[in-house]
Amino acid sequence: EAAVTQSPRNKVTVTGGNVTLSCRQTNSHNYMYWYRQDTGHGLRLIHYSYGAGNLQIGDVPDGYKATRTTQEDFFLLLELASPSQTSLYFCASSDVGRDTQYFGPGTRLLVL
Amino acid sequence: GDQVKQSPSALSLQEGTNSALRCNFSIATTTVQWFLQNPRGSLMNLFYLVPGTKENGRLKSTFNSKESYSTLHIRDAQLEDSGTYFCAVNTGANTGKLTFGHGTILRVHP
Repeated sequence: EAAVTQSPRNKVTVTGGNVTLSCRQTNSHNYMYWYRQDTGHGLRLIHYSYGAGNLQIGDVPDGYKATRTTQEDFFLLLELASPSQTSLYFCASSDVGRDTQYFGPGTRLLVL
Repeated sequence: GDQVKQSPSALSLQEGTNSALRCNFSIATTTVQWFLQNPRGSLMNLFYLVPGTKENGRLKSTFNSKESYSTLHIRDAQLEDSGTYFCAVNTGANTGKLTFGHGTILRVHP
């Protein structure tokens, strides 16, 4: 079973604040993904990556940056947080693009 | 409009009964995935499907690519089956891009 961990699990910040969400996977998967989950929208893809140093834009990228520093680590950056970014954020990984995705436990972010 | 539609949006089942969840999609895809989000919020993958049928215990899922839908059948529902079921379709060839439906909330009661 793939192991995907996220930190922090909960985060509160203020409007305009700077937030970094971390994700690590320990199964040597090539692909990693960041999603947000909101009531009424299901999960939506923010950014994803094929490997270290690679970044691809997802479906709802505005207001987010991401960086894949190693094969294991994928970070989501909110440099000027806004209340609209209050959400539940999930990281996922898969071995190849067309493969089962394994999800982390999620990070709850509240922007006041 | 929504490219991946799930029905019903919510469902209440008595323990021991059977049901089917439906996922219709209006975008081209070669794979479908089903996930269960439990009441604590954790997402677990249930099935990864190419066209055809898979079975795992009390769950069975079918992906019909010609008619653009997938179904998830739950047999002999148990209390631990409660949660939100999501289907997702791969829309980006080999990119792994998934488009999710809005989910079916299932409550199994004694």
